[in-house]
This record gives sequence, C-alpha cells and structure tokens, in this order.
Amino acid sequence: GDSVTQTEGLVTVTEGLPVKLNCTYQTTYLTIAFFWYVQYLNEAPQVLLRSSTDNKRTEHQGFHATLHKSSSSFHLQKSSAQLSDSALYYCALFSGGSNAKLTFGKGTKLSVKS
Amino acid sequence: DAGVTQTPRHEVAEKGQTIILKCEPVSGHNDLFWYRQTKIQGLELLSYFRSKSLMEDGGAFKDRFKAEMLNSSFSTLKIQPTEPKDSAVYLCASSLDWGVSYEQYFGPGTRLTVL
Repeated sequence: GDSVTQTEGLVTVTEGLPVKLNCTYQTTYLTIAFFWYVQYLNEAPQVLLRSSTDNKRTEHQGFHATLHKSSSSFHLQKSSAQLSDSALYYCALFSGGSNAKLTFGKGTKLSVKS
Repeated sequence: DAGVTQTPRHEVAEKGQTIILKCEPVSGHNDLFWYRQTKIQGLELLSYFRSKSLMEDGGAFKDRFKAEMLNSSFSTLKIQPTEPKDSAVYLCASSLDWGVSYEQYFGPGTRLTVL
C-alpha cells in the first residue's frame, strides 16, 4: 500500500530563517495528487499546497513545494519563517481509481521562535 | 452557508460501549471523509464517500469502525465496541468534488474519551 514519511517530531527554527520539512513517499497505486496540510492550534486541518505535476513548483502563503517523482519527494520549504507559521504540518498523497486512498504522514510540528 | 457540523463535540464512553458520531456536510457537497487524529499517529483516514458510495473503508479500522451515509446530508461513524485506544479527535470533512477541486471543509471534530 501507500506510505508517506515526513520529518517527524518537532522542528524549531528562528524567525526569518529558512525552513524545510521533508516528505517522501511510496505508492503502488495510481497517485493523483500530493498535499501539504497545515493545522494551527485549536483549528481543523486545511490544505496548504497541492500538486499533481512532476517537477512543477507550487506556491501558497510563502511556502513552496515541488513534486519530484524521480526521488519520490514533495518537500515543503519557505525562505523566511514567520512566527505565525508555527503549526502542525502533514504531507499526504491521494491515489484514485476504484481503490481511492488518502494517506498521511505522521505530521511535523513546526515551531518558529523569535 | 453552514459549514460541516459534528455532534456531539465531546463524548465519554466506557470500554465495550457502542458510540455513534454524527456529521452533516456542507449542503450540496458530494464527498465526505471521516478522520481520526491522535498525537501519536497523527491524522488517519477512516472512510471516504464519493456521492454516497464508499470508496475507502479504512483498512485496519474496518473491524470495529463503520461509517455510513444515510443520505446526502447526514453521515454517522459507529465504533463498536469501543476500546481505550480509540480515544482521539474524530474529524468529518466534506468536499463538493474532491477529485476536481481537492478542497475540503472540516468540521470542529468530536473528542472521544474511552475509559
């Protein structure tokens, strides 16, 4: 089945510095889309980024990610972290067809310090 | 428009009980998801309905977890029998057309505690 591996636990960065959250995957199905979800404290998760196109950079709210099928990766990056970026981040992939699945990594907690 | 509604917001159950969680999706949405969230495992998909048809039945969750779409505007998640390890936040989300928009609207969740 599908699996997603992301930077586990807590990542702490200083405000203004770059941040990178790693995500790699394995899939045996026809994978349609890849996602980064963000969940702020006491809020529900929401989609931050998504991509279906190999080697195409996707951007939103200052974050960017590029799907690289050759290395099975979809890392999340930001050039300058903000205090408001502190949240829980999930990488996920969606496989379609008759056996549709949405598979998540275990989540990475990002803490941005001043 | 009302968002996704989940009831109850909090539930406490004894081990072995049957509990039913409820979800009303955004009006007109065709796709519905049930998730479980814990600090250890993170976010896990339990069920996924596309136009009321079950597309994903949760694999390892199948034996005690059953989600149903009773109609296009109401879904339930039954856990039978409950175990302490089921203590988690259960989230429901809906989408107009997930395979096209990839937009999901989440409900506030039900926090379940199993003693």
